[in-house]
Amino acid sequence: EPEVTQTPSHQVTQMGQEVILRCVPISNHLYFYWYRQILGQKVEFLVSFYNNEISEKSEIFDDQFSVERPDGSNFTLKIRSTKLEDSAMYFCASSGPWGRTNEKLFFGSGTQLSVL
Amino acid sequence: SQELEQSPQSLIVQEGKNLTINCTSSKTLYGLYWYKQKYGEGLIFLMMLQKGGEEKSHEKITAKLDEKKQQSSLHITASQPSHAGIYLCGAENAGNMLTFGGGTRLMVKP
Repeated sequence: EPEVTQTPSHQVTQMGQEVILRCVPISNHLYFYWYRQILGQKVEFLVSFYNNEISEKSEIFDDQFSVERPDGSNFTLKIRSTKLEDSAMYFCASSGPWGRTNEKLFFGSGTQLSVL
Repeated sequence: SQELEQSPQSLIVQEGKNLTINCTSSKTLYGLYWYKQKYGEGLIFLMMLQKGGEEKSHEKITAKLDEKKQQSSLHITASQPSHAGIYLCGAENAGNMLTFGGGTRLMVKP
């Protein structure tokens, strides 16, 4: 079955540093998402992306966050100046031509971000 | 905003036993997703339900959505150690996002 791949699997950074988390969605998918899960808490929606622009974002997704699809295959999440509370597992997801209606939402294995 | 409550929060069963996990929504569900999460891995899609009264099965796992579309259950028959993990329900919102429940941690004792 096709997969969403995320790199790196673990990222350690110093507070205040910029990080970029990378994702390769499934090749024919058009909708892309980032979710995060702080240890012991619920999986939370961050942002959705379609047609090269953000379609929805949550309150968590403030000015420190940005997303980009720099080429035809990658989808990135950038955190400009990391804070301790950004430490979490970040999941990328994608879905097919119909968005999520009647479509599976495929998740990657996640990037564990640790901010020291 | 929509809230999902899962019960129980954790469950330990003997291998071979049946079990049920529940997911209750504060609002009518447009669509309800079930995922399984293992430590260090992503969310593995299990099933999606959209219609009131709908029931779907895959191998030994059956998911149901009630007629009022506010509650879903996930039933595992004859549990195996491979069923161990965290089960998450996710509600499709009117916006383009899923809201997840807190998860049910399942352990299966051999």
